[in-house]
Amino acid sequence: GAGVSQSPSNKVTEKGKDVELRCDPISGHTALYWYRQSLGQGLEFLIYFQGNSAPDKSGLPSDRFSAERTGGSVSTLTIQRTQQEDSAVYLCASSRDGGSNQPQHFGDGTRLSIL
Amino acid sequence: AQTVTQSQPEMSVQEAETVTLSCTYDTSESDYYLFWYKQPPSRQMILVIRQEAYKQQNATENRFSVNFQKAAKSFSLKISDSQLGDAAMYFCAYLRGSNYKLTFGKGTLLTVNP
Repeated sequence: GAGVSQSPSNKVTEKGKDVELRCDPISGHTALYWYRQSLGQGLEFLIYFQGNSAPDKSGLPSDRFSAERTGGSVSTLTIQRTQQEDSAVYLCASSRDGGSNQPQHFGDGTRLSIL
Repeated sequence: AQTVTQSQPEMSVQEAETVTLSCTYDTSESDYYLFWYKQPPSRQMILVIRQEAYKQQNATENRFSVNFQKAAKSFSLKISDSQLGDAAMYFCAYLRGSNYKLTFGKGTLLTVNP
């Protein structure tokens, strides 16, 4: 596609429910990133994919968070047993490869609200 | 660990005027990249400008330019002839060479007054 596409745009759910956030990167981009943007913490790195593998999951805040990427394209970020502190905007980005000379292009994010 | 500091939570500028947003960073690396991203209310992070640390020449993109002071670890963004569409949150970001993990500052909210 023309840009990084994320869905849903907004998600409201009750505490304790599981949620899935989807990211469709720019066609041909092998690298994919998830970031979280919250009021208290600013923008934080969560996870990096190169193709289908995730060499760096160091930013995932707890084992309730997981992510996968299939076919080297679409990625899903799953949060299990959601807590109120999970409320944030989740941003996805992609780049041509994982090299630092390749700019990261961001989607519009998913605003997650936990009641 | 690398840190990025934006000391101005909010700034305002009159339309057609010039404004400078400040950013400082802390790193012991010599190979790195610096970025300014713009985030309008639509939430999409848009890359405004990029600077490679090994380049002495300051990057420019149309009305946007940077003042990169490597020794001082300073990376300010100048917006000339400000337009209403420039109103947004601006984030300074750091990327270590051969890495992929962007480190962001807290952001500066820019208001453009007509």
